[in-house]
Amino acid sequence: EAGVAQSPRYKIIEKRQSVAFWCNPISGHATLYWYQQILGQGPKLLIQFQNNGVVDDSQLPKDRFSAERLKGVDSTLKIQPAKLEDSAVYLCASSSWDGGRDETQYFGPGTRLLVL
Amino acid sequence: KQEVTQIPAALSVPEGENLVLNCSFTDSAIYNLQWFRQDPGKGLTSLLLIQSSQREQTSGRLNASLDKSSGRSTLYIAASQPGDSATYLCAGRGSGNTGKLIFGQGTTLQVKP
Repeated sequence: EAGVAQSPRYKIIEKRQSVAFWCNPISGHATLYWYQQILGQGPKLLIQFQNNGVVDDSQLPKDRFSAERLKGVDSTLKIQPAKLEDSAVYLCASSSWDGGRDETQYFGPGTRLLVL
Repeated sequence: KQEVTQIPAALSVPEGENLVLNCSFTDSAIYNLQWFRQDPGKGLTSLLLIQSSQREQTSGRLNASLDKSSGRSTLYIAASQPGDSATYLCAGRGSGNTGKLIFGQGTTLQVKP
C-alpha cells in the first residue's frame, strides 16, 4: 500500500513570496489533514478535510493560508505572502475516519519550508 | 481547551535500559490517546492508540497506559536499543467529533550503544 506522498520535500523562499505544497493521500482515505510543525514543537492542525468539505480550519491563518482538496483526493496548501514565522515542516496526513471514535492517521514525510 | 505536555524534552540512556516517557493532558474527557514516533527528516508513525475505555495497549517492547482521572499517559520501552532513538510524540483526541489531535511537544530519545 502506497503511503502519503508530499512534494516538494524542501523549499526556500524569501518573505512575501508565495509557495504551494501538494499532498496525495492514501487511496480510499476520505479524511485529509494539514499540520504545521515548528522546530521543537508538536504538529498543530491547520485544516481537516472530509472528502471535499472542510471539517476544521479554526487554526488556519486565513489572511495568508489557503487550502483546497479537489475531487476529494489530492490537496494543495498555499501561503501568500509568506512570513519568517511560517518556517516549519508542513505535514499531510490521511485516515479512513468516518466520524467514529477511533482512527489512525498516516503521515507523509513533510515539506520543509524556510522563509528568509 | 485540551493541552498536552511531555516531559522531559530530551532523554539519553544506555542500550538495554527500560525507560518511561510521560505525557499529561488537561481535559479528562479525552476520546483517545496516541503515541507516535518521528525520525529525523521523516513524518510520524503511529505506535499505539489507547481508546478512552482502555487502560493500556501493548505492541512488542512498547506498552502505553492511560489514566484519564489523573490526566496522564506513559509509554514504556523495554530493553531499549539504538534503533529506538527518535522523537516520541503523544497526541490526545479532544472532546468533539472531528478527529482533531492535540500534540505534545515530544521527547527526543537517544539510546547509546
